[in-house]
Order: sequence, then structure tokens, then C-alpha cells
Amino acid sequence: QKEVEQNSGPLSVPEGAIASLNCTYSDRGSQSFFWYRQYSGKSPELIMSIYSNGDKEDGRFTAQLNKASQYVSLLIRDSQPSDSATYLCAVKSATPLVFGKGTRLSVIA
Amino acid sequence: SAVISQKPSRDICQRGTSLTIQCQVDSQVTMMFWYRQQPGQSLTLIATANQGSEATYESGFVIDKFPISRPNLTFSTLTVSNMSPEDSSIYLCSVVASNSYEQYFGPGTRLTVT
Repeated sequence: QKEVEQNSGPLSVPEGAIASLNCTYSDRGSQSFFWYRQYSGKSPELIMSIYSNGDKEDGRFTAQLNKASQYVSLLIRDSQPSDSATYLCAVKSATPLVFGKGTRLSVIA
Repeated sequence: SAVISQKPSRDICQRGTSLTIQCQVDSQVTMMFWYRQQPGQSLTLIATANQGSEATYESGFVIDKFPISRPNLTFSTLTVSNMSPEDSSIYLCSVVASNSYEQYFGPGTRLTVT
């Protein structure tokens, strides 16, 4: 069974700090990795995709992938209260996306 | 990214009835999926909607309960049949755009069964 594991949180960080969200996956054949942000009562919004080892930066967001360790992370720099949401890690191999249960992030002003 | 709309956005239905949810995309997409998200839970894939053929259902979901149609590359429907309170959930349409690996979600349909 292909699994994606995330700490459920809540992860609380002060405004302006770096939030670090982590995800591990079981399928070594996975090729595509995604982070979604979901505000309460809303649908998931794709915020980052990463396909190769290393870092990918987009504004305040950095995704990091290490396929050897089967580990993907999301860093949010200069965290804002508006970043408070649940962050879902998703991994794709030959099957539809497999989602983690999500990490709830709370940014404290 | 594709723009996805769903109808209805929410509904309250009586036990034993059926509801059909529509998903419309503004461009042709390769893959369409239907998910369910129960309160406080992550996403559960119901099925892959296949254009012109029967949907591919995940374990625990059957066609008689969740019939799905996809008559073309931009439209799909999910019916929740013979509803019970356990079907109360948010139902989400999701698509993978052509020439992309990225998957996007519609705004969801919030269903309450009384």
C-alpha cells in the first residue's frame, strides 16, 4: 500500500518565522510531488510541485525533495497569519495522487 | 491552470434520495477524478472518470452507489444514490490539464443528508 505520512500538527510558529512542513512516502517509484494548501471550508489549492532532487523556490515557498530518503518538505519563509491552513503533501507514481492527511499550520501574530 | 466549476455548491438532501453533482472545466483535460472529504479528514479518491467509458472505482466505492459519467473532455457528473447521513461530505472534482502533471481541484459540493 502506497503511503504518504505527515505530522498532523498543529504546527504553531510566530509571525515572521520559518515554517517547516515534512512528508515521507513509501513508493520509491514516485516521480512527482506536490504541496497543496487548504483553508478551512475551501478546496485544496496547488502551491508547489517538484519533480527532481533539490530545492525549488517560489516566492516565500521552498520545496525540497530527497528521493533517496523518500522525503519532501515545504519551507515557508516570513510566515504570515494568512498562511494558517492545512498543508497536504501529495505524491504520484503510476497511480492517481496519494495524499497525506495534512499538517495544520497556525501562524501566531 | 484549468478553471473548474461545480454545481451545486451545497445541498441538503433527504435520506433515500439521489443528488447529481456537475463538474465543468474551461479547457480540455486528460484526467478527471472525484474525491470525497469528510469533516476533519483528508481526501479520499472515489473514482477516475474516463471519457466515453465506465469510471474506474477505488476500493470501497461502487458504481451503483456513485455512478459517474464523462461524456466529453471538459464535463463530468457524479451521482450520490440512495443517500444516507454517512454520505454527508464535501465532494470534489479534480483534473489534470493536458501537457501537465499538475492536478487541480474544483470548489467542492457540500452535501448534508438528513
